[in-house]
Amino acid sequence: SSELTQDPAVSVALGQTVRITCQGDSLRTSYASWYQQKPGQAPVLVMYDKNYRPSGIPDRFSGSTSGNAASLTITGAQAEDEADYYCNSRDSSGNHLVFGGGTKLTVL
Amino acid sequence: EVRLVETGGGLIQPGKSLRLSCAASGFTVSSNYMSWVRQAPGKGLEWVSVIYAGGTTFYADSVKGRFTVSRDNSKNTLYLQMNSLRAEDTAVYYCAREIWFGARTYFDYWGQGTLVTVSS
Repeated sequence: SSELTQDPAVSVALGQTVRITCQGDSLRTSYASWYQQKPGQAPVLVMYDKNYRPSGIPDRFSGSTSGNAASLTITGAQAEDEADYYCNSRDSSGNHLVFGGGTKLTVL
Repeated sequence: EVRLVETGGGLIQPGKSLRLSCAASGFTVSSNYMSWVRQAPGKGLEWVSVIYAGGTTFYADSVKGRFTVSRDNSKNTLYLQMNSLRAEDTAVYYCAREIWFGARTYFDYWGQGTLVTVSS
């Protein structure tokens, strides 16, 4: 399968921890990357490879992977973390890329 | 500083053609993997096409045979030629640079996007 599956919506109380998951067969051969997108803005890379954060991304963001699943965890969620989050990887053929359907994160 | 600027979007009738441009600065387009990604209104991200440093191209099934990705090395610019446009091609189109080696793949830079609206 070339699909990546994400929960459509997740909520978290301010300051608490939330995990956003992504599942798909392609994750057995390709690490997931994660993007944050706020309304009207372009996506921003927040996590890649096993657990690497680009410069400028707060360390409350972390990543993990196991088998055919990847997770993005926000420890101590802040109001500014409210956004859509997308996972991405190469598909099993290696020639196409695929995005998950996205998870809308609400910070309560 | 790396920058990607898309242009060329607009309102276009079904069946017509449109060419999008993505001007890059701060790096060399021809030495990188460059993709087009689109987002229909209120929907998620959809990968559209990629061009490798060596010139090989791949397309999503939804656009294969209608869209063509290319680049002009002298202008350091990426293009997306879109033919036989359909209403379902309506979206914001982003260009993005991909870093890919081994099992590692990610888009580290994105443009701001250009809106294409296909409607009569």
